Amino acid sequence: DIQMTQSPSSLSASVGDRVTITCRASQSISNYLNWYQQKPGKAPNLLIYAASSLQSGVPSRFSGSGSGTDFTLTISSLQPEDFATYYCQQSFSIYTFGQGTMLEIK
Amino acid sequence: QVQLVESGGGLVKPGGSLRLSCAASGFTFSDYYMTWIRQAPGKGLEYISYISSTSIHTNYADSVKGRFTISRDNDKNSLYLQMNSLRAEDTAVYYCARVLDDSSGYSFDYWGQGTLVTASS
Repeated sequence: DIQMTQSPSSLSASVGDRVTITCRASQSISNYLNWYQQKPGKAPNLLIYAASSLQSGVPSRFSGSGSGTDFTLTISSLQPEDFATYYCQQSFSIYTFGQGTMLEIK
Repeated sequence: QVQLVESGGGLVKPGGSLRLSCAASGFTFSDYYMTWIRQAPGKGLEYISYISSTSIHTNYADSVKGRFTISRDNDKNSLYLQMNSLRAEDTAVYYCARVLDDSSGYSFDYWGQGTLVTASS
């Protein structure tokens, strides 16, 4: 099974900050990597698919990059509504999620 | 607009059974693979199972293989998850989600609101 490891597990930041979350796969997954945002009590929301493609309706301050085993999600300028938990997910071999990164207000 | 609505969750004793349903609307249900994903209280997301558009292909996580069965009825635009031999560790919010084939892999582009399953005596 492919393991996905996110870092950090939690992160404190301020409105306007640039934030980067990292996801590492236990083996190469090409660009078969997606990112989701989840707010408390809500279902996850797809942000980025295929490592770098922005899902329709998602603000352009979100971006994704990477290939192989190392991937990043970047939020260019944090907005109040961005404080949430973020998950990466691979689809190279069935599906596996990372453990999540909780983004909190500093 | 695309809508997925889960139902069927509740409290069940360990060893018991439950059947979850997911009613789909706003898209051609029979064109899409569908999946179930769960989230234990305070924990992360766990893939459970998927089913192909015509039900020919199914897949299960090791944690539920042999106990859970995924199915669908394209005439009723509905997805199901039959859960047998439930354990305490199956306690979670269960989400159904639509699978998007973007030619560079698969993602889950629409999710239901989730239904809570609690396995406890």
